[in-house]
Amino acid sequence: GDSVTQMEGPVTLSEEAFLTINCTYTATGYPSLFWYVQYPGEGLQLLLKATKADDKGSNKGFEATYRKETTSFHLEKGSVQVSDSAVYFCALSPNRDDKIIFGKGTRLHILP
Amino acid sequence: GAGVSQSPSNKVTEKGKDVELRCDPISGHTALYWYRQSLGQGLEFLIYFQGNSAPDKSGLPSDRFSAERTGGSVSTLTIQRTQQEDSAVYLCASSLGLINEQFFGPGTRLTVL
Repeated sequence: GDSVTQMEGPVTLSEEAFLTINCTYTATGYPSLFWYVQYPGEGLQLLLKATKADDKGSNKGFEATYRKETTSFHLEKGSVQVSDSAVYFCALSPNRDDKIIFGKGTRLHILP
Repeated sequence: GAGVSQSPSNKVTEKGKDVELRCDPISGHTALYWYRQSLGQGLEFLIYFQGNSAPDKSGLPSDRFSAERTGGSVSTLTIQRTQQEDSAVYLCASSLGLINEQFFGPGTRLTVL
């Protein structure tokens, strides 16, 4: 079945470091791909998305490119801030129906 | 405008009791989803509604779980005879419809003693 695998955390970085959180997926057809973020004490919110191969989603300095050949959607940011500390979830929607399949989440800690 | 709201925010119950969790979606959103977030398990899809009907109930973990939606708006997730493994955060989301962005509520933290 469809699934998402993302790197386990926690990931701890210093402020201004480069961030990569790896995500790979398994799906039939052409899913849409998402990164969701959950800041401490807040609800889950969409960070960025891509709906077809080679699309790049971007928001708040984060980017991820839909790579069909490697079935990946890695999240990157060039210079992280303390305020980026959160749990990040990679997810896919099969587009056959409307549910979202989430990865297990990666907790990110940014040290000042 | 108002986002997705859920109540209660926290619920502590004893094993064997029934609980009801409520979700108020964003006004005008026709699709509504329930997920469960367990420690170490990530987010698990439970059920979704398009209008008042539930095309996909495949994620409900057992027949103790049921959900309904009335008037195309509020939804209730009911867990009968709760077990300790039901302890989790239950998240509700709504969207304008198929393949649209889902907006999540803050969740209900359920603890079964």
